[in-house]
Amino acid sequence: SQKIEQNSEALNIQEGKTATLTCNYTNYSPAYLQWYRQDPGRGPVFLLLIRENEKEKRKERLKVTFDTTLKQSLFHITASQPADSATYLCALFVNTNAGKSTFGDGTTLTVKP
Amino acid sequence: ETGVTQSPTHLIKTRGQQVTLRCSSQSGHNTVSWYQQALGQGPQFIFQYYREEENGRGNFPPRFSGLQFPNYSSELNVNALELDDSALYLCASSPPSGDRGSWGYTFGSGTRLTVV
Repeated sequence: SQKIEQNSEALNIQEGKTATLTCNYTNYSPAYLQWYRQDPGRGPVFLLLIRENEKEKRKERLKVTFDTTLKQSLFHITASQPADSATYLCALFVNTNAGKSTFGDGTTLTVKP
Repeated sequence: ETGVTQSPTHLIKTRGQQVTLRCSSQSGHNTVSWYQQALGQGPQFIFQYYREEENGRGNFPPRFSGLQFPNYSSELNVNALELDDSALYLCASSPPSGDRGSWGYTFGSGTRLTVV
């Protein structure tokens, strides 16, 4: 069956370090993958999108990689700040024109001062 | 530009009742998707509406139904509520079709539904 796993439920790091979050999937051939940030009691906020034929995308302190051979995406936050503390979700889209998307359960990142 | 607006923000219903949740999409967006998010889990795709028609559905029973209106706003209806329907219901809008692999969804803050 199709499955998405995000590496751990919680990740604690020190301010200034790089946070690395993992999204692994099985039995999918995603057309693209998105990363979202979700704060408690709020809806997810879109951060980055990467397509199946792209290896890496960057946006300010954020970097996403996509390895379709390993069936894995890595999400990096460099020079992390306490304000980066939130839950981060990955989402797979199998077909560029289909509505269905599949989200992981998220990883809660805590950045300590 | 306005974002996605959902109403109500909180709702308490009794098992067996019916509920209607509403969503106004972001200006310029013509596609609306609905998700159910249980505590501690990721959003689960319910269905998507495009041009007032259902465009994709997740693994939810028929008692979950929806509508999209000409102004692209949308409703989610749930009949015969069960205790397990207690969750945060999220609405997300997206721009007109084209290169769908170039944008992300804009989510509302959700409706917290509690079934007792």
